[in-house]
Amino acid sequence: GIQVEQSPPDLILQEGANSTLRCNFSDSVNNLQWFHQNPWGQLINLFYIPSGTKQNGRLSATTVATERYSLLYISSSQTTDSGVYFCAVLTGGGNKLTFGTGTQLKVEL
Amino acid sequence: GAGVSQSPSNKVTEKGKDVELRCDPISGHTALYWYRQRLGQGLEFLIYFQGNSAPDKSGLPSDRFSAERTGESVSTLTIQRTQQEDSAVYLCASSAVPGQGRQYFGPGTRLTVT
Repeated sequence: GIQVEQSPPDLILQEGANSTLRCNFSDSVNNLQWFHQNPWGQLINLFYIPSGTKQNGRLSATTVATERYSLLYISSSQTTDSGVYFCAVLTGGGNKLTFGTGTQLKVEL
Repeated sequence: GAGVSQSPSNKVTEKGKDVELRCDPISGHTALYWYRQRLGQGLEFLIYFQGNSAPDKSGLPSDRFSAERTGESVSTLTIQRTQQEDSAVYLCASSAVPGQGRQYFGPGTRLTVT
């Protein structure tokens, strides 16, 4: 099956710093989503981005489908950004999202 | 409803007992998914429902696991003869567009098997 790798696995930032999270996948996809899992376990859908670039406030994401990667940018990080960020992909004809292993982010004051 | 809801939020059970977990999807969402998340790990797909089509059960780890959904409403995930390795958070998601759309997750049910 498709492999989804995320980097870095762990990241510690000072509040106000910027960061880039990466998601690499091993096959063509037609559905890629980024999620934030907060410290209480709730998964929030950040972006549905099979290709191109989208922005939502301090967050933006870019997927380059031909090169099989996606990037999530966090600008001016806040402590509430802490948690685990997952990317998840779905291949053609499939019904399930395959999740990456996540990036654990901690934003400190 | 406003979002996906799940119940119970926490369940502690003894090894060998059966448990039933419930998911209420977002109203109007035709697709419903169950996932499992073990401590410190990513999500594993369990089962997918789309309307009245046969469900995709390819992720169910054993025949002790089963799930039902009536039409486009509530779904229940049943685990029979629970084992300690079944301890995990069980997450439900729904989507308005089958397969291709954004998935919206419920808060999960934390299952602990003692």
